[in-house]
Amino acid sequence: DGGITQSPKYLFRKEGQNVTLSCEQNLNHDAMYWYRQDPGQGLRLIYYSQIVNDFQKGDIAEGYSVSREKKESFPLTVTSAQKNPTAFYLCASSINGDYSGANVLTFGAGSRLTVL
Amino acid sequence: AQTVTQSQPEMSVQEAETVTLSCTYDTSESDYYLFWYKQPPSRQMILVIRQEAYKQQNATENRFSVNFQKAAKSFSLKISDSQLGDAAMYFCAYRSAYTGTASKLTFGTGTRLQVTL
Repeated sequence: DGGITQSPKYLFRKEGQNVTLSCEQNLNHDAMYWYRQDPGQGLRLIYYSQIVNDFQKGDIAEGYSVSREKKESFPLTVTSAQKNPTAFYLCASSINGDYSGANVLTFGAGSRLTVL
Repeated sequence: AQTVTQSQPEMSVQEAETVTLSCTYDTSESDYYLFWYKQPPSRQMILVIRQEAYKQQNATENRFSVNFQKAAKSFSLKISDSQLGDAAMYFCAYRSAYTGTASKLTFGTGTRLQVTL
């Protein structure tokens, strides 16, 4: 079955450490996204990529980095510069990055990061 | 910048009854898309329904329908014949239809729906 796989499901990190969240999709989608979810704040866009080897900052990119070396993969690194990294992280993808109405987002099951 | 507001943090409905979740948005654009996503306890976001702003007809998907009022910038979700499996967090989302915005969504803060027997 096609879908998005995020790993790990739960991750604990000590302050000052970088951590990388994995996101893999087998939907042959061009575009991929990372959202952060905090209680009472909905989802906020961190980074997105419309094509391999290209990505753009979202609304809350500070303290995060991404790469898009392969179409299927869009890992997110939470760096020590992120002041409040404890959150639920959702990866998503869409057929492409254009504005077509048929271009809906498919989400992964998420990763919960806790900073100790 | 666009904003999406969901003013009901929590709602409750009895099984088999009907419930309406509210959503308002603010935009200066004339062409856009609106979505309702469901997030069950598994936390995986699932698309419930989608509305295109240039279509006057309200979207429907089985027991789910919307009341889209473009002038009022309102986009409510009606769930008919509520089922226990409908219990979840529901998010309203906005996406611009203009080139260069990719498929970035702007989300509301969500409404938690409880379904009781």
